[in-house]
Amino acid sequence: KAGVTQTPRYLIKTRGQQVTLSCSPISGHRSVSWYQQTPGQGLQFLFEYFSETQRNKGNFPGRFSGRQFSNSRSEMNVSTLELGDSALYLCASSLVGQVSSYNEQFFGPGTRLTVL
Amino acid sequence: GESVGLHLPTLSVQEGDNSIINCAYSNSASDYFIWYKQESGKGPQFIIDIRSNMDKRQGQRVTVLLNKTVKHLSLQIAATQPGDSAVYFCAETSGGYQKVTFGTGTKLQVIP
Repeated sequence: KAGVTQTPRYLIKTRGQQVTLSCSPISGHRSVSWYQQTPGQGLQFLFEYFSETQRNKGNFPGRFSGRQFSNSRSEMNVSTLELGDSALYLCASSLVGQVSSYNEQFFGPGTRLTVL
Repeated sequence: GESVGLHLPTLSVQEGDNSIINCAYSNSASDYFIWYKQESGKGPQFIIDIRSNMDKRQGQRVTVLLNKTVKHLSLQIAATQPGDSAVYFCAETSGGYQKVTFGTGTKLQVIP
């Protein structure tokens, strides 16, 4: 079974631009979560989508948004990029059965975003 | 705010020895605690989890211990191998099971 795939793997943008990152979950997985990883802040939760609905949200500004499609693929968008948005953006999928328990998350390799 | 933190940034162990990675947490409402391993250039990989109503759980070569009295979590790796070299994160969930809060990470170096 193929793992979580993220595209592109590397991206360079300039301040003020916007960017869209894509994540394809493992086949059959319905939950997709996004995380930002930086040396200073570590791994931080951005948001989670399940059945095309945002179910959980982290403490990030509104410039960070996402969506999920009917095939569970997800995209996240960052508008008006700032230097501090340079990070590794990780996507994780899980086969969510019961909503009352933690379901193992499978992470992709990430998209390395550099903002100049 | 609530946080999950690690005691040591770097841990060096001899190949074949047992490793113990420690983690302190502050959120009494945590539902699950999870350990992840991240190798260079890769995303985190799930190792093992433990629900907050348990105090011990074992997997293949790994054991997680949870002490809710002192809000402490540990990961024990038996017979550490070079392939275990990575950064290890403890993490927790509360109020949203797929919303995971990560600790700062411990780098495990295995000396051949």
